[in-house]
Amino acid sequence: AQTVTQSQPEMSVQEAETVTLSCTYDTSENNYYLFWYKQPPSRQMILVIRQEAYKQQNATENRFSVNFQKAAKSFSLKISDSQLGDTAMYFCASSGYSTLTFGKGTMLLVSP
Amino acid sequence: DTEVTQTPKHLVMGMTNKKSLKCEQHMGHRAMYWYKQKAKKPPELMFVYSYEKLSINESVPSRFSPECPNSSLLNLHLHALQPEDSALYLCASSEDRANGYTFGSGTRLTVV
Repeated sequence: AQTVTQSQPEMSVQEAETVTLSCTYDTSENNYYLFWYKQPPSRQMILVIRQEAYKQQNATENRFSVNFQKAAKSFSLKISDSQLGDTAMYFCASSGYSTLTFGKGTMLLVSP
Repeated sequence: DTEVTQTPKHLVMGMTNKKSLKCEQHMGHRAMYWYKQKAKKPPELMFVYSYEKLSINESVPSRFSPECPNSSLLNLHLHALQPEDSALYLCASSEDRANGYTFGSGTRLTVV
């Protein structure tokens, strides 16, 4: 069984600043994958970044990067140079042998 | 084609109506999913189809009936729904668990 915990229901950041969203997880599986999804008001879930658990190197996608601490079961998302279009609900998710397990989400508001 | 297409985008139905939601993908993904999402909540898994066979049914009421006519199509038939079934219904597909899911933009369902 897997659980994913996002402890920040809401966060705010000003444009051009950096923000970090937290996520912790628990799994009994050895081979798993971690994801961050973004869901803007337009409602489509968009894959932001993925991390393979057996890779030590943190994943990076343009302004988005993760801090993956496997021993601590922590998988935080850092957004650099925040833009107004980053305003969205962000869901952390894990995928083992079963389906995706989502956290409860963090609503990020980017203000001018 | 790297999209999951859902129709209709919006649907209003009475409690005695019968309607269907449609989902289509042409990425060759062999797993397809139906999720239900309430406002500001994570998606909740309803059904999983793997190689066109129903592999997971998360104890969903029988008023929701899934169908997978072929590897590209997934339907969700709705009958005698309740107002509490009003939600965003998301379809997703995946090639494998390593790459995450590709989501459609959803159908906003309102039951009156």
